[in-house]
Amino acid sequence: DGGITQSPKYLFRKEGQNVTLSCEQNLNHDAMYWYRQDPGQGLRLIYYSQIVNDFQKGDIAEGYSVSREKKESFPLTVTSAQKNPTAFYLCASSTYFGGAYEQYFGPGTRLTVT
Amino acid sequence: KQEVTQIPAALSVPEGENLVLNCSFTDSAIYNLQWFRQDPGKGLTSLLLIQSSQREQTSGRLNASLDKSSGRSTLYIAASQPGDSATYLCAVFSGGYQKVTFGIGTKLQVIP
Repeated sequence: DGGITQSPKYLFRKEGQNVTLSCEQNLNHDAMYWYRQDPGQGLRLIYYSQIVNDFQKGDIAEGYSVSREKKESFPLTVTSAQKNPTAFYLCASSTYFGGAYEQYFGPGTRLTVT
Repeated sequence: KQEVTQIPAALSVPEGENLVLNCSFTDSAIYNLQWFRQDPGKGLTSLLLIQSSQREQTSGRLNASLDKSSGRSTLYIAASQPGDSATYLCAVFSGGYQKVTFGIGTKLQVIP
């Protein structure tokens, strides 16, 4: 089955530690995204990547870093510089076909930092 | 800057009722609009995608319409079922891979 996998589903870390969230897709999509979702707020874009070895900051990139060494993989590192890292993180990929962009989402990772 | 608003924020209906969820956006220069469903603690599942040149799309009991000139889209759910209970989000693609704006969503509860 084609899709996006994120691991782990739940992640707990102590304040001051860096943590890496995994995102893998087998949809052969060029573009991949990381979003953050907080209660009462819409999805906010952290980083996106249109092609391998290239990525761009989104609206809330401070305290986060990414890499895109393979088309299938787009890991997100939440660093100790992120002031409020506890949130639900969603990875997505998209394709552009027939004049339309369509996004597909993974199941998400809930990160709790104490 | 594109802004997307979804009304109502929450909705509770009895099973079997037809209902309409609303999505409005401020910039009508869009490529397409996508409706998603999100269950608690889960990722987003795509329901319908409407291109800017289209007026509506249908999938089963779902029908989404788009009026680009007025900046509005509606998601119509016919004969609602308890399994439809979820949060419904709309996303507007305004151009470029990064130009996706999401609404906060409408939380739907269908009561048996």
